[in-house]
Amino acid sequence: GNSVTQMEGPVTLSEEAFLTINCTYTATGYPSLFWYVQYPGEGLQLLLKATKADDKGSNKGFEATYRKETTSFHLEKGSVQVSDSAVYFCALSDNRGSTLGRLYFGRGTQLTVWP
Amino acid sequence: EPEVTQTPSHQVTQMGQEVILRCVPISNHLYFYWYRQILGQKVEFLVSFYNNEISEKSEIFDDQFSVERPDGSNFTLKIRSTKLEDSAMYFCASSVGLAPNEQFFGPGTRLTVL
Repeated sequence: GNSVTQMEGPVTLSEEAFLTINCTYTATGYPSLFWYVQYPGEGLQLLLKATKADDKGSNKGFEATYRKETTSFHLEKGSVQVSDSAVYFCALSDNRGSTLGRLYFGRGTQLTVWP
Repeated sequence: EPEVTQTPSHQVTQMGQEVILRCVPISNHLYFYWYRQILGQKVEFLVSFYNNEISEKSEIFDDQFSVERPDGSNFTLKIRSTKLEDSAMYFCASSVGLAPNEQFFGPGTRLTVL
């Protein structure tokens, strides 16, 4: 079946530190992969996505590359800011079959960045 | 910028009571979803809705759950007889099309069943 595993949090970093949040997936087909972010008191927002192998999604300094060989989609940022403090969710969607609509999420990783 | 809204932000209810969680999706979106997150666990898909009918539901979405789009703007999730294990954050989402189109999420309703 389809599932997502992401690294347990919380992650605490100092400002300007390098961030990696690991995400691996299991999928029956050829999924699309997403990172969503949830700021306090708000809904989940799409941060970036990649729809096929070797695609790199990027937004706001964050990047993630769709690696089919390692079934991974790790989130990275070279220099985090206090404003990046949020919960980050890795997710996938199946691009065929009967589950076209649903997203499969990981548990979320709480990131706290200190000044 | 258009956004998905949800009410209430927090609902406390007694076990066995009915609750209705309300959502207003983005106006030109065609697909609507409910997800939930039990504390410390994954965000789980409950149901998707398109063209005034359920298009997909998960094994969680049993006969105690129902969804409705009563008036062309609201999208509701009803739980007929709440259980303790229904306590969770419930997220509504909407999208223009199916994935990989972006699903836009509301801020969630925290349901506490006592």
